[in-house]
Amino acid sequence: GAGVSQSPSNKVTEKGKDVELRCDPISGHTALYWYRQRLGQGLEFLIYFQGNSAPDKSGLPSDRFSAERTGESVSTLTIQRTQQEDSAVYLCASSPGLADAFSYNEQFFGPGTRLTVL
Amino acid sequence: LAKTTQPISMDSYEGQEVNITCSHNNIATNDYITWYQQFPSQGPRFIIQGYKTKVTNEVASLFIPADRKSSTLSLPRVSLSDTAVYYCLVGAFSGGYNKLIFGAGTRLAVHP
Repeated sequence: GAGVSQSPSNKVTEKGKDVELRCDPISGHTALYWYRQRLGQGLEFLIYFQGNSAPDKSGLPSDRFSAERTGESVSTLTIQRTQQEDSAVYLCASSPGLADAFSYNEQFFGPGTRLTVL
Repeated sequence: LAKTTQPISMDSYEGQEVNITCSHNNIATNDYITWYQQFPSQGPRFIIQGYKTKVTNEVASLFIPADRKSSTLSLPRVSLSDTAVYYCLVGAFSGGYNKLIFGAGTRLAVHP
């Protein structure tokens, strides 16, 4: 079946421009996550969606970063006025639903979007 | 949130068993231990998850001692295709969801 897809796969932009990154989660998955991965480092959590709501935006680095989700499906991560420090791979993941205290929902990751800010 | 500590890198040869140990001294009662694998230019992939004792699937085994302050991922008879970064994570439950905290991981290099 179809996994998580992300577009574009690569994005090169100039400093100061806005970019939009798209994530298509696995159909039926209510939870959606965005992460950032700098070269050679682990993943940084950015934001979590449950349905179309974002109860945890604590990982967004600054107010230049925003994200939305519509139809409990597609999500868009927007970075305004991009800076060179924003260069990284942006990964999206989805999982089936809410976790209770003694369960775990596996997260399924997309291939990521490699963003390069010149 | 429980912090994890694992070796930065490991080397092995084809056909050997590889054991990667992760320390998580501050693990909470409700936390699960999960391992992900990441190949270059790909997103991480779930390998195995456990709460205590031993868990085995078709890919790996996970050993967790009684105090749960550490865990060991065991990969039997590795091949070149097992070269990847392996992340140990301890599940943090906040607001009813799983906030994955990834460290730098362990870079495993398998040699011919």
